[in-house]
Amino acid sequence: GAVVSQHPSRVICKSGTSVKIECRSLDFQATTMFWYRQFPKQSLMLMATSNEGSKATYEQGVEKDKFLINHASLTLSTLTVTSAHPEDSSFYICSARDYGQAGSVYGYTFGSGTRLTVV
Amino acid sequence: SQQGEEDPQALSIQEGENATMNCSYKTSINNLQWYRQNSGRGLVHLILIRSNEREKHSGRLRVTLDTSKKSSSLLITASRAADTASYFCATDRTGANSKLTFGKGITLSVRP
Repeated sequence: GAVVSQHPSRVICKSGTSVKIECRSLDFQATTMFWYRQFPKQSLMLMATSNEGSKATYEQGVEKDKFLINHASLTLSTLTVTSAHPEDSSFYICSARDYGQAGSVYGYTFGSGTRLTVV
Repeated sequence: SQQGEEDPQALSIQEGENATMNCSYKTSINNLQWYRQNSGRGLVHLILIRSNEREKHSGRLRVTLDTSKKSSSLLITASRAADTASYFCATDRTGANSKLTFGKGITLSVRP
């Protein structure tokens, strides 16, 4: 089945530094990937839609200059949290969309998530 | 924005019992999906039901969809302690701009 690899699984960084999270589709090409943020005991909040070869589409309220998304190839999307602050500490999850996994509907495969802690 | 609303928010049952979780949504959909998330992990796809389907089974899972009421239910039969996790419903619409919209989730605890 489809596999999405997300790295790193955990990262601790100092306030003011930048952190890059990678999301790779291992056995399929994904023209569209998604980045979510999840706070403890809450649901997933969509941050942005990452489109291969074009600019990402950000959800309302998400700062595009803070959360930089690059989708340079059909198998890799990256999320860079720039100038991270403690309030950026959260669980970040990526997802890759694949047409045809379930026959004429889109299938979504999720990475295992990245726990970001900013100190 | 969150579309799906699951209830109950938390459910605690004894191993062997059945667990029923409900989800409501607000807009038209192409399909509805249920996912499972173990603590601190990514989401695992459980089952997908299309808007023209009313019921679907997969192993110990049974999902129903009522588009007139904009609601779905997930039934896990003969629950096991390993079923302890958070469960989310998510709706998807049609077209190239489709994306999942998640509900708030249900925390299921299965006591051994």
